[in-house]
Amino acid sequence: ELKVEQNPLFLSMQEGKNYTIYCNYSTTSDRLYWYRQDPGKSLESLFVLLSNGAVKQEGRLMASLDTKARLSTLHITAAVHDLSATYFCVTTALGGSQGNLIFGKGTKLSVKP
Amino acid sequence: DSGVTQTPKHLITATGQRVTLRCSPRSGDLSVYWYQQSLDQGLQFLIQYYNGEERAKGNILERFSAQQFPDLHSELNLSSLELGDSALYFCASSTVPRSDTGELFFGEGSRLTVL
Repeated sequence: ELKVEQNPLFLSMQEGKNYTIYCNYSTTSDRLYWYRQDPGKSLESLFVLLSNGAVKQEGRLMASLDTKARLSTLHITAAVHDLSATYFCVTTALGGSQGNLIFGKGTKLSVKP
Repeated sequence: DSGVTQTPKHLITATGQRVTLRCSPRSGDLSVYWYQQSLDQGLQFLIQYYNGEERAKGNILERFSAQQFPDLHSELNLSSLELGDSALYFCASSTVPRSDTGELFFGEGSRLTVL
C-alpha cells in the first residue's frame, strides 16, 4: 500500500526565514505533486514533478524529486505571511488510476511577522 | 478559480438522512473525481467517472454512490448518514483519463455536517 509521509506536520516560521518540508513515499511512483490548501478552501496545484531530478520553482517555493530515494522536498525561501497554508505532498501508485491520488497528512505552515 | 463548481457549499442534516452533492467539471474535462477530507482520515479518494462510466473506486462506503450524467456533471449521493460522514467533499476534474501530468483541478468543496 502506497503511503506518503510528510514532515514536519506543523511549521511556524518567521518572515524572511528559509525552511524545507520533506515528503517520503513508500513505493515506486512516476509522479509527485504539491498542492496548497488555505483553511476551508479548495486545493490548488503548485507543482507537478514527473521525473527523477525534476526541480521546479515558483516565486519563493521550489520543489524537487528524487525517485530513487522516494523523496520530494518543498523549499521555502524568505517566507512571507501569504505563504501561510497547508501544503500537501501527493502521489499516485505506479500503474494505478490517475485520479487515485494518495495524499500526505499535510504540513500546516504559519508564517509570522 | 479552478473552473470546477460544487453545490451546495454547506449542508447540515441529521443522522439517517440522505443528501446529494453536485459537481460541474471544468469545460472540456471528461473525468470527475470525488474526494473526502475529514480530520481523522485526511484526504481520501472515493470514486472516478470518465465520460459517464465508473473508472476507479477508492475508499467509498456502500452507503455512498455517484454517477456522471451525459452533460458530464456528477452527483455524489450519501445515504443513511452517520456522524462520521461529516467532512468536506471535494470534486475534481481532469481532461482525458490519463492526462500528461495527471494534475487534477479541485472545486471549492461541499461541507457536510451531520448532527
